Amino acid sequence: DTEVTQTPKHLVMGMTNKKSLKCEQHMGHRAMYWYKQKAKKPPELMFVYSYEKLSINESVPSRFSPECPNSSLLNLHLHALQPEDSALYLCASSGTSGSPETQYFGPGTRLLVL
Amino acid sequence: GQNIDQPTEMTATEGAIVQINCTYQTSGFNGLFWYQQHAGEAPTFLSYNVLDGLEEKGRFSSFLSRSKGYSYLLLKELQMKDSASYLCAVRDNYGQNFVFGPGTRLSVLP
Repeated sequence: DTEVTQTPKHLVMGMTNKKSLKCEQHMGHRAMYWYKQKAKKPPELMFVYSYEKLSINESVPSRFSPECPNSSLLNLHLHALQPEDSALYLCASSGTSGSPETQYFGPGTRLLVL
Repeated sequence: GQNIDQPTEMTATEGAIVQINCTYQTSGFNGLFWYQQHAGEAPTFLSYNVLDGLEEKGRFSSFLSRSKGYSYLLLKELQMKDSASYLCAVRDNYGQNFVFGPGTRLSVLP
């Protein structure tokens, strides 16, 4: 099974709402990632979790809050977002560090902030 | 610093061969990866190189020269469904960070 699942597929939220994006993988991968992707741009790294600990935070605003409850799950909590945060949010996972394994991406959540 | 460069757009004809180049300057290197991304969809893995040379997978091949900081993706017998963006990404020494290039939008014409 090389599948990464994400829910929801689409999300529309107001600037005062609180919502969460969810990601799950059962490949035994110990690194999980959140990316933000705008139209016609490459994925932009937000966070990396390695062995359930936050290892990389690419200076993301605090209105985005990641959480890794266990090795299979990754959440992204959203609060007080801005319209410019509208984008495709991609979750990915990969094998242990040091191994040249690729990342596997989920289908993404398309977020619209009104 | 991290810098990865690819041509922004390319056009080719159905049945032809196209080569998409990628040059990189990164602080570490633990593999170079190629992904295909159709509009509105997630990237899907195509190929990776960690040692110099050519890796062949069906219609797709990828080449790496670490000393030159250079890779290319070769697509043969182009099909209309190959119209997509192609992303080059470098994995750093610690293996946790994938740095993506800007992507190359390939249009395959009949």
